[in-house]
Amino acid sequence: AQSVSQHNHHVILSEAASLELGCNYSYGGTVNLFWYVQYPGQHLQLLLKYFSGDPLVKGIKGFEAEFIKSKFSFNLRKPSVQWSDTAEYFCAVNVLGGGADGLTFGKGTHLIIQP
Amino acid sequence: KAGVTQTPRYLIKTRGQQVTLSCSPISGHRSVSWYQQTPGQGLQFLFEYFSETQRNKGNFPGRFSGRQFSNSRSEMNVSTLELGDSALYLCASSLASLPEGGTQYFGPGTRLTVL
Repeated sequence: AQSVSQHNHHVILSEAASLELGCNYSYGGTVNLFWYVQYPGQHLQLLLKYFSGDPLVKGIKGFEAEFIKSKFSFNLRKPSVQWSDTAEYFCAVNVLGGGADGLTFGKGTHLIIQP
Repeated sequence: KAGVTQTPRYLIKTRGQQVTLSCSPISGHRSVSWYQQTPGQGLQFLFEYFSETQRNKGNFPGRFSGRQFSNSRSEMNVSTLELGDSALYLCASSLASLPEGGTQYFGPGTRLTVL
């Protein structure tokens, strides 16, 4: 079964700081990768996804992520965070052709942006 | 397009009872998946339905079951409730099934509390 590791469980940054959240997955086959965000009191929303092609993918609200196949990583980045980015961020992997594990999520990173 | 809707949003039950949760997917989506979210275990996959057939199942006991109707709406049932079943239950829908690379969009969830 695949697994997803998010290295930082809690991150506190000041506004305008740069952000990088780490995500590593264990499966060596063909995968689709996702970052979801859960703002306080809101439901899980898709931030960005990687299926194939350019390993640098751009999402909503200025977020981007880079897929590095050799490192089994899919790190999320934002050059300058805002107070409104305070939320829980989840990395997820879907194994193509598999399915027994569904969408496998990391434990999440709680991001707090201080004004 | 309207998003994924789930009813009810909140539910309180006692141990031993059973509960049915409902999910209406985004119009045109044929895949519906269910997840359990708890502070300790995070987001865990329960099962996926596609065109009224269960395609995949996570590692949950048989007390957790589901079904999908011809209009793609889905229900999840939990019988003989235990205290540990207290969680946020999320429904997600996608055009394609997970093994075929579907992108899942989540509903707001049903908060189940078992007393």
